[in-house]
Amino acid sequence: RKEVEQDPGPFNVPEGATVAFNCTYSNSASQSFFWYRQDCRKEPKLLMSVYSSGNEDGRFTAQLNRASQYISLLIRDSKLSDSATYLCVVNRGTNAGKSTFGDGTTLTVKP
Amino acid sequence: DAMVIQNPRYQVTQFGKPVTLSCSQTLNHNVMYWYQQKSSQAPKLLFHYYDKDFNNEADTPDNFQSRRPNTSFCFLDIRSPGLGDAAMYLCATRLAGGPNEQFFGPGTRLTVL
Repeated sequence: RKEVEQDPGPFNVPEGATVAFNCTYSNSASQSFFWYRQDCRKEPKLLMSVYSSGNEDGRFTAQLNRASQYISLLIRDSKLSDSATYLCVVNRGTNAGKSTFGDGTTLTVKP
Repeated sequence: DAMVIQNPRYQVTQFGKPVTLSCSQTLNHNVMYWYQQKSSQAPKLLFHYYDKDFNNEADTPDNFQSRRPNTSFCFLDIRSPGLGDAAMYLCATRLAGGPNEQFFGPGTRLTVL
């Protein structure tokens, strides 16, 4: 079993749709959690951190359920520019800050 | 702007011919990472430096080595590239003790002929 597992996707949605991605992690000692966005042939970039209380940034909402070891990302009112691969990232919280990445979920938003 | 720079962006080498990829950063971060990413897969951590301390992942092939001569620079050496080493190589940095966010360079895409 992989340490971080994501919905395999791909997700193909029309503009304006709401889409949700799920992620589970196996290491209960994990400390911090992130969603990164990666465009085709580009580097990953931080989309948002994920906090236990849940957090929102514009059209994006992230949730964390530590008991279930589950993270989610909700995108409302999808834009064409949201098309990308979304990577769930889990950090063990050591000084080295080593992160484990999920394989990513690919989203395509169509006109 | 402070950033993570990788050179070259595209590297072509021959099977078995040593190659070095470079990474530099102006963020003054004390942790630097090298990842290998193949198509449709997650970035896979190869090793990292915490200041001068080198940490190798258990499953990183011996073919891969790294050097960090100073805070700003880090190199990835592939001694004898095989066809299976063709991938995107990503360098990332982080400030230990700060937020756990990692900052990535644009990557070097390695082709092995």
